[in-house]
Amino acid sequence: RKEVEQDPGPFNVPEGATVAFNCTYSNSASQSFFWYRQDCRKEPKLLMSVYSSGNEDGRFTAQLNRASQYISLLIRDSKLSDSATYLCVVNTLKGGFKTIFGAGTRLFVKA
Amino acid sequence: DAGITQSPRHKVTETGTPVTLRCHQTENHRYMYWYRQDPGHGLRLIHYSYGVKDTDKGEVSDGYSVSRSKTEDFLLTLESATSSQTSVYFCAIRAGTEDQPQHFGDGTRLSIL
Repeated sequence: RKEVEQDPGPFNVPEGATVAFNCTYSNSASQSFFWYRQDCRKEPKLLMSVYSSGNEDGRFTAQLNRASQYISLLIRDSKLSDSATYLCVVNTLKGGFKTIFGAGTRLFVKA
Repeated sequence: DAGITQSPRHKVTETGTPVTLRCHQTENHRYMYWYRQDPGHGLRLIHYSYGVKDTDKGEVSDGYSVSRSKTEDFLLTLESATSSQTSVYFCAIRAGTEDQPQHFGDGTRLSIL
């Protein structure tokens, strides 16, 4: 089982749709959580950190459920420019500190 | 954007030649990382550094070496490049606390012919 698992997609949605990405992690010692976006042939960029109480940044909402070891990202009113791959990332202390990247979920937003 | 510069941005070279990629940061962050990204594999950690002259191997370290003689610079060397090392290489940095995310450089596209 992968330490961080994401639905690979792709998700194909029309502009204005709401889309949700899910991510599960296997290590209960995981400490901190992030969502990154990566455009084609570009570097991953931090989209937002994920806090225990949930957090929102404009059209983006991140949630964390430690009991279920589950992270989510909700994008409302999706734009063409949201088309990218979204990576779930976990910092964990298992066997020493390390950062684990999910394989990513591809999103296509269409007009 | 985090102050990270990778050089070169693109390189084409021949099998068997040595190649050095440079990552330079202006953030004074303790941790630096080298990843490669290939289709179907996502990001894979090659080596990382937790301080000057302190480095450790990642999951795909064979064929690569690193050096960090200054806080701001982290070098990745392919001693004798092979075609399987054709990839996009990303450097990342992270501040010292465990709740901090990594920030990535623009990447280096390396082709080994």
